[in-house]
Amino acid sequence: AQSVSQHNHHVILSEAASLELGCNYSYGGTVNLFWYVQYPGQHLQLLLKYFSGDPLVKGIKGFEAEFIKSKFSFNLRKPSVQWSDTAEYFCAVKEGGTYKYIFGTGTRLKVLA
Amino acid sequence: EAGVAQSPRYKIIEKRQSVAFWCNPISGHATLYWYQQILGQGPKLLIQFQNNGVVDDSQLPKDRFSAERLKGVDSTLKIQPAKLEDSAVYLCASSLDLPTTRTDTQYFGPGTRLTVL
Repeated sequence: AQSVSQHNHHVILSEAASLELGCNYSYGGTVNLFWYVQYPGQHLQLLLKYFSGDPLVKGIKGFEAEFIKSKFSFNLRKPSVQWSDTAEYFCAVKEGGTYKYIFGTGTRLKVLA
Repeated sequence: EAGVAQSPRYKIIEKRQSVAFWCNPISGHATLYWYQQILGQGPKLLIQFQNNGVVDDSQLPKDRFSAERLKGVDSTLKIQPAKLEDSAVYLCASSLDLPTTRTDTQYFGPGTRLTVL
Protein backbone atom coordinates (compact mmCIF):
# COMPACT_ATOMS: atom_id res chain seq x y z
CA ALA A 1 0.00 0.00 0.00
CA GLN A 2 1.12 3.54 -0.68
CA SER A 3 2.34 5.43 2.35
CA VAL A 4 3.49 8.80 3.55
CA SER A 5 6.18 8.92 6.23
CA GLN A 6 6.88 11.76 8.58
CA HIS A 7 9.90 10.64 10.53
CA ASN A 8 9.87 13.34 13.19
CA HIS A 9 6.90 12.80 15.47
CA HIS A 10 7.82 15.48 18.00
CA VAL A 11 10.09 18.45 17.48
CA ILE A 12 10.99 21.07 20.07
CA LEU A 13 12.74 24.26 18.98
CA SER A 14 13.55 27.61 20.45
CA GLU A 15 12.26 30.76 18.79
CA ALA A 16 14.39 31.91 15.84
CA ALA A 17 15.68 28.39 15.22
CA SER A 18 15.41 26.94 11.72
CA LEU A 19 12.90 24.22 10.98
CA GLU A 20 12.90 21.30 8.61
CA LEU A 21 10.25 18.60 8.77
CA GLY A 22 10.69 15.52 6.66
CA CYS A 23 8.06 13.93 4.41
CA ASN A 24 8.64 10.91 2.19
CA TYR A 25 6.12 9.03 0.12
CA SER A 26 6.15 5.71 -1.64
CA TYR A 27 4.07 6.34 -4.79
CA GLY A 28 6.15 6.26 -7.96
CA GLY A 29 3.79 8.07 -10.30
CA THR A 30 2.56 11.62 -10.60
CA VAL A 31 1.72 13.21 -7.28
CA ASN A 32 0.29 16.39 -5.86
CA LEU A 33 1.82 17.30 -2.51
CA PHE A 34 0.46 19.25 0.42
CA TRP A 35 1.38 20.42 3.88
CA TYR A 36 -1.42 21.12 6.32
CA VAL A 37 -1.11 22.70 9.75
CA GLN A 38 -3.37 22.28 12.76
CA TYR A 39 -2.96 24.91 15.46
CA PRO A 40 -4.16 24.01 18.97
CA GLY A 41 -7.93 23.94 19.02
CA GLN A 42 -8.25 24.72 15.33
CA HIS A 43 -8.98 22.75 12.20
CA LEU A 44 -6.58 21.61 9.51
CA GLN A 45 -5.46 24.48 7.31
CA LEU A 46 -3.60 24.36 4.04
CA LEU A 47 -0.04 25.62 4.42
CA LEU A 48 1.22 25.08 0.90
CA LYS A 49 0.81 22.81 -2.10
CA TYR A 50 2.77 21.56 -5.07
CA PHE A 51 1.18 20.58 -8.36
CA SER A 52 3.90 21.08 -10.96
CA GLY A 53 6.65 23.43 -12.07
CA ASP A 54 9.16 25.00 -9.69
CA PRO A 55 9.92 22.35 -7.06
CA LEU A 56 10.43 25.03 -4.41
CA VAL A 57 7.03 26.09 -3.18
CA LYS A 58 6.32 29.01 -0.90
CA GLY A 59 3.35 29.01 1.41
CA ILE A 60 1.81 31.15 4.08
CA LYS A 61 3.58 32.47 7.18
CA GLY A 62 7.07 32.13 5.72
CA PHE A 63 6.96 28.38 5.14
CA GLU A 64 8.37 26.72 2.06
CA ALA A 65 8.78 23.17 0.85
CA GLU A 66 10.97 21.52 -1.72
CA PHE A 67 9.86 18.62 -3.91
CA ILE A 68 12.75 16.29 -4.72
CA LYS A 69 11.36 13.71 -7.10
CA SER A 70 14.40 11.44 -6.99
CA LYS A 71 14.11 11.18 -3.22
CA PHE A 72 10.30 10.97 -3.10
CA SER A 73 10.46 13.80 -0.59
CA PHE A 74 8.62 17.03 0.13
CA ASN A 75 10.28 18.55 3.17
CA LEU A 76 8.87 21.60 4.92
CA ARG A 77 11.19 24.42 5.97
CA LYS A 78 11.12 27.73 7.77
CA PRO A 79 14.27 29.76 8.41
CA SER A 80 13.17 31.20 11.76
CA VAL A 81 10.29 29.78 13.78
CA GLN A 82 8.05 31.72 16.11
CA TRP A 83 6.18 30.67 19.24
CA SER A 84 2.97 30.92 17.19
CA ASP A 85 4.20 28.13 14.90
CA THR A 86 3.48 25.63 17.67
CA ALA A 87 1.14 23.20 15.97
CA GLU A 88 0.86 19.80 14.36
CA TYR A 89 1.99 19.52 10.75
CA PHE A 90 0.69 16.95 8.29
CA CYS A 91 2.11 16.03 4.92
CA ALA A 92 -0.37 14.69 2.35
CA VAL A 93 0.03 13.14 -1.07
CA LYS A 94 -2.57 12.85 -3.79
CA GLU A 95 -1.79 9.98 -6.12
CA GLY A 96 -2.12 10.78 -9.79
CA GLY A 97 -3.47 7.38 -10.76
CA THR A 98 -6.09 6.78 -8.09
CA TYR A 99 -6.62 10.44 -7.08
CA LYS A 100 -6.56 9.29 -3.46
CA TYR A 101 -5.25 11.46 -0.66
CA ILE A 102 -2.91 9.83 1.84
CA PHE A 103 -1.78 11.63 4.97
CA GLY A 104 1.29 11.17 7.10
CA THR A 105 1.02 10.64 10.84
CA GLY A 106 1.90 14.22 11.63
CA THR A 107 4.71 16.05 13.43
CA ARG A 108 4.03 17.94 16.63
CA LEU A 109 6.13 21.09 16.76
CA LYS A 110 6.60 22.98 20.00
CA VAL A 111 8.38 26.30 19.87
CA LEU A 112 9.73 27.60 23.14
CA ALA A 113 9.54 31.34 23.71
CA GLU B 1 -16.27 32.80 2.30
CA ALA B 2 -17.70 30.46 4.91
CA GLY B 3 -15.69 27.34 5.62
CA VAL B 4 -16.73 23.73 6.01
CA ALA B 5 -19.20 23.39 8.87
CA GLN B 6 -19.56 20.31 11.03
CA SER B 7 -21.76 19.36 13.95
CA PRO B 8 -21.73 18.35 16.66
CA ARG B 9 -18.21 19.29 17.72
CA TYR B 10 -18.12 16.69 20.48
CA LYS B 11 -20.07 13.52 21.13
CA ILE B 12 -19.80 10.94 23.88
CA ILE B 13 -21.72 7.67 23.53
CA GLU B 14 -21.60 4.18 24.90
CA LYS B 15 -20.59 1.24 22.76
CA ARG B 16 -23.36 -0.29 20.69
CA GLN B 17 -25.17 3.04 20.49
CA SER B 18 -25.61 4.87 17.21
CA VAL B 19 -24.34 8.33 16.29
CA ALA B 20 -24.59 10.68 13.32
CA PHE B 21 -22.39 13.52 12.17
CA TRP B 22 -23.34 16.33 9.83
CA CYS B 23 -21.25 18.28 7.34
CA ASN B 24 -22.02 21.33 5.23
CA PRO B 25 -19.28 21.92 2.63
CA ILE B 26 -18.15 25.21 1.19
CA SER B 27 -20.79 26.50 -1.18
CA GLY B 28 -20.29 25.23 -4.72
CA HIS B 29 -17.79 22.54 -3.82
CA ALA B 30 -18.42 19.42 -5.86
CA THR B 31 -16.41 16.93 -3.87
CA LEU B 32 -16.90 16.00 -0.22
CA TYR B 33 -14.70 13.76 1.91
CA TRP B 34 -15.11 12.10 5.29
CA TYR B 35 -11.94 11.21 7.20
CA GLN B 36 -11.32 9.38 10.46
CA GLN B 37 -8.40 10.63 12.54
CA ILE B 38 -7.45 8.41 15.43
CA LEU B 39 -5.26 9.98 18.11
CA GLY B 40 -1.62 9.98 17.04
CA GLN B 41 -2.39 9.19 13.42
CA GLY B 42 -3.04 11.14 10.27
CA PRO B 43 -6.49 11.44 8.71
CA LYS B 44 -7.68 8.30 6.93
CA LEU B 45 -10.18 8.63 4.10
CA LEU B 46 -13.48 6.86 4.77
CA ILE B 47 -15.61 7.97 1.85
CA GLN B 48 -15.52 10.42 -1.00
CA PHE B 49 -18.52 11.91 -2.81
CA GLN B 50 -18.58 13.64 -6.15
CA ASN B 51 -21.76 15.71 -6.08
CA ASN B 52 -24.17 13.14 -4.60
CA GLY B 53 -22.48 10.02 -5.95
CA VAL B 54 -19.94 7.87 -4.11
CA VAL B 55 -16.50 7.90 -5.73
CA ASP B 56 -14.57 5.84 -3.20
CA ASP B 57 -15.77 4.03 -0.09
CA SER B 58 -13.17 1.29 -0.06
CA GLN B 59 -12.03 2.08 3.49
CA LEU B 60 -15.49 2.55 4.98
CA PRO B 61 -16.45 -0.27 7.41
CA LYS B 62 -19.77 -0.82 5.73
CA ASP B 63 -21.09 -3.20 8.36
CA ARG B 64 -21.43 -0.29 10.77
CA PHE B 65 -20.70 2.95 8.93
CA SER B 66 -22.92 4.61 6.36
CA ALA B 67 -22.88 7.98 4.67
CA GLU B 68 -25.03 9.91 2.31
CA ARG B 69 -24.93 13.21 0.50
CA LEU B 70 -28.41 14.18 -0.50
CA LYS B 71 -28.85 16.78 -3.25
CA GLY B 72 -25.09 17.01 -3.62
CA VAL B 73 -24.67 19.44 -0.72
CA ASP B 74 -24.85 18.42 2.95
CA SER B 75 -23.68 15.04 4.10
CA THR B 76 -24.22 12.80 7.10
CA LEU B 77 -22.00 10.03 8.41
CA LYS B 78 -23.56 7.44 10.70
CA ILE B 79 -22.10 4.75 12.92
CA GLN B 80 -24.39 1.97 14.11
CA PRO B 81 -23.49 0.27 16.39
CA ALA B 82 -20.41 2.08 17.67
CA LYS B 83 -17.36 0.24 18.97
CA LEU B 84 -14.65 1.44 21.34
CA GLU B 85 -12.17 1.64 18.46
CA ASP B 86 -14.39 4.18 16.69
CA SER B 87 -13.22 6.84 19.15
CA ALA B 88 -11.62 9.42 16.89
CA VAL B 89 -12.06 12.80 15.27
CA TYR B 90 -14.25 12.66 12.18
CA LEU B 91 -13.23 15.26 9.65
CA CYS B 92 -15.19 16.53 6.71
CA ALA B 93 -13.43 18.21 3.80
CA SER B 94 -14.59 19.66 0.52
CA SER B 95 -12.99 20.74 -2.71
CA LEU B 96 -14.22 22.87 -5.56
CA ASP B 97 -12.89 20.63 -8.28
CA LEU B 98 -13.23 16.97 -9.06
CA PRO B 99 -10.45 14.73 -7.72
CA THR B 100 -9.26 14.13 -11.29
CA THR B 101 -8.49 17.83 -11.63
CA ARG B 102 -4.80 18.38 -11.17
CA THR B 103 -5.21 21.47 -9.01
CA ASP B 104 -7.85 20.00 -6.72
CA THR B 105 -7.37 21.21 -3.11
CA GLN B 106 -9.21 20.10 0.01
CA TYR B 107 -10.47 22.39 2.76
CA PHE B 108 -11.27 20.92 6.16
CA GLY B 109 -13.94 21.50 8.75
CA PRO B 110 -13.28 21.60 12.51
CA GLY B 111 -14.15 17.94 13.00
CA THR B 112 -16.33 16.03 15.44
CA ARG B 113 -14.54 14.39 18.35
CA LEU B 114 -16.27 11.09 19.17
CA THR B 115 -15.63 9.24 22.41
CA VAL B 116 -17.07 5.76 22.73
CA LEU B 117 -17.22 4.45 26.30
